[in-house]
This record gives sequence, C-alpha cells and structure tokens, in this order.
Amino acid sequence: DGGITQSPKYLFRKEGQNVTLSCEQNLNHDAMYWYRQDPGQGLRLIYYSQIVNDFQKGDIAEGYSVSREKKESFPLTVTSAQKNPTAFYLCASSIGKAAWSRGGTQYFGPGTRLTVL
Amino acid sequence: QKEVEQNSGPLSVPEGAIASLNCTYSDRGSQSFFWYRQYSGKSPELIMSIYSNGDKEDGRFTAQLNKASQYVSLLIRDSQPSDSATYLCAARVPHAGGTSYGKLTFGQGTILTVHP
Repeated sequence: DGGITQSPKYLFRKEGQNVTLSCEQNLNHDAMYWYRQDPGQGLRLIYYSQIVNDFQKGDIAEGYSVSREKKESFPLTVTSAQKNPTAFYLCASSIGKAAWSRGGTQYFGPGTRLTVL
Repeated sequence: QKEVEQNSGPLSVPEGAIASLNCTYSDRGSQSFFWYRQYSGKSPELIMSIYSNGDKEDGRFTAQLNKASQYVSLLIRDSQPSDSATYLCAARVPHAGGTSYGKLTFGQGTILTVHP
C-alpha cells in the first residue's frame, strides 16, 4: 500500500533531550513537510523540502532541525532549544514541481504525539 | 491579520441538515484551496480541492470559491453524525521571492457537530 508512515505514534521527551521523529513515504512524492498542531489550533509549518538535499524553514523552525538525504525520508529532530515541544506533529507529502502549479495537494501521515515529561 | 481565517465554532446542525463552513483568506495571490477533515486525535484527510471560481461538487460535499471576495466555503448536504469533526481550510500561498512553489497556510479549523 502506498502511503506515509510516521513513528513513533507516541513519544515522551525529558527536559534537555533531543528526539527524532521519523517520516517515510512510498508515494514517490518530491515534496515533504512537517507541521505542528497544538490543541484547538490549525497546523503551523515547521520545515519543508521540495527536493532531496534541500529544505527550507517554515513559520516556526526555531528549535527544530531536519534532513532530506533520501526522497522517501524526512526526519524531524526536536532539539532541547525548543522550549514548548509538547504537540501533535504531522508529516505530509505532495507531488513535486510538475503538478505543483496545478494544485499542491498535501497528504498526511498519521502523526506523532510528543509529550515533554 | 491571519492569512486564513475560519469561524472556530462549534457549529451544531441536526442530522440531515446542510452544514455550511466558511473560510476567508487575505492573500489575493492564493491559487489553490483545500478542505481537510480531521477527527479527534487523527491526522487531516483531504475532502475537496478547488482552484477556480464557482462551485465544485463531490457527493454530499460542495466547495465554493469566490476570489473577488476572498472566501471559500464547504457545504455538507444530508449531514450525518459521522461528519462530526474539525474542518480545516487551507490556501496555497505563493512563496515570497518566487524561490519555491508555495506552501499551504491553514486556518484554525471549525468544529462541526451533527446531532441525531
């Protein structure tokens, strides 16, 4: 089955600890995204990548880092510099440039719920 | 001013009624618009996308876009209790400087409750 997987489903972080959230897709999509969702709020963009080995900061990149070494994978690291990391993290992907101009539909993975202890 | 705004609700409608969800956006350069449904604790799933002025129908769902007034709406006909969820509106806003293909900006979502 084609889709987007995220792991783990639940993650607990201690103060001062870095944690990495996994996102993998087998849809052959060029573009991948990370969002954060806080209770009762919409999605805020953390980072996005439109091609391997390239990524851009979104609206709330401080305290986060990403890499895009493979087309299928876009891991997100929540560093100790992120002061309020408790949230629901969503990874998404979309077809790249060829179809982007006609839409830009993004498809989401199941999410990772991160809690700071 | 938020780039994409929705009435957070909650919006409560009886089963079988029409639910009307509204969204306004501030950037006139927005090119594509999306409605996602999100059940509690789950990730968003795409319901509709719309790119041109007018109506687009898909089953019980109709998306309406009016670029002159900068609003997009979603109508759900014959609402069912299973439609109870948060509905997110998103707009594809061209990236400043034209160095990328744009990104989605989301509203805060409208909570819809359909009661039997």
